[in-house]
Amino acid sequence: DIQMTQSPSSLSASVGDRVTITCRASQSISSYLNWYQQKPGKAPKLLIYAASSLQSGVPSRFSGSGSGTDFTLTISSLQPEDFATYYCQQSYSTLSFGQGTRLEIK
Amino acid sequence: QITLKESGPTLVKPTQTLTLTCTFSGFSLSTSGVGVGWIRQPPGEALEWLALIYWDDDKRYSPSLKSRLTITKDTSKNQVVLTMTNMDPVDTATYYCAHRGRGYGYALGYWGQGTLVTVSS
Repeated sequence: DIQMTQSPSSLSASVGDRVTITCRASQSISSYLNWYQQKPGKAPKLLIYAASSLQSGVPSRFSGSGSGTDFTLTISSLQPEDFATYYCQQSYSTLSFGQGTRLEIK
Repeated sequence: QITLKESGPTLVKPTQTLTLTCTFSGFSLSTSGVGVGWIRQPPGEALEWLALIYWDDDKRYSPSLKSRLTITKDTSKNQVVLTMTNMDPVDTATYYCAHRGRGYGYALGYWGQGTLVTVSS
């Protein structure tokens, strides 16, 4: 199994801040890394696929980078609607998710 | 427009078998490259992938749950069914199905709303 580890587990930030969430795979997954946003009581929403490709309709303040084992999700300027939980997920070998990063308002 | 919706019991007893159905529209599970997956989320916890089925009937399962899971498809009905045997209270979770497609790098691009399953006697 490929284990995905996100850091931090939780994060407090303010509107307008630049935020970075990291995800590390237990082995190389090339660029088979996706990011999702989940709000309370809702299904996850795909933000970034293949490490750095922005899903249609997702604001450009979201960006992803990385390859191999280390990946980042960056939100360039936090908006009120961005406070949510974020998950990384690898699709190199079947599927597995990180444990999530909860982004809270400071 | 792709939509998916999960259906099944909201309450099951320990040791029973859970059967969940994902009914979808807007795509065909006979199209090359398409898959449908199941993911669950216990209350307040992280997402956990369970199973995937592809257009060619290839099936993949979570190693930790493989012995308890079966995934099947009915292309004519646009449905995917997941069965999980020997249910336990720790299996209480919201269960989601999702579309996996080529258009977004085989990520899970569309999700159902989820269905909460409680395991209790």
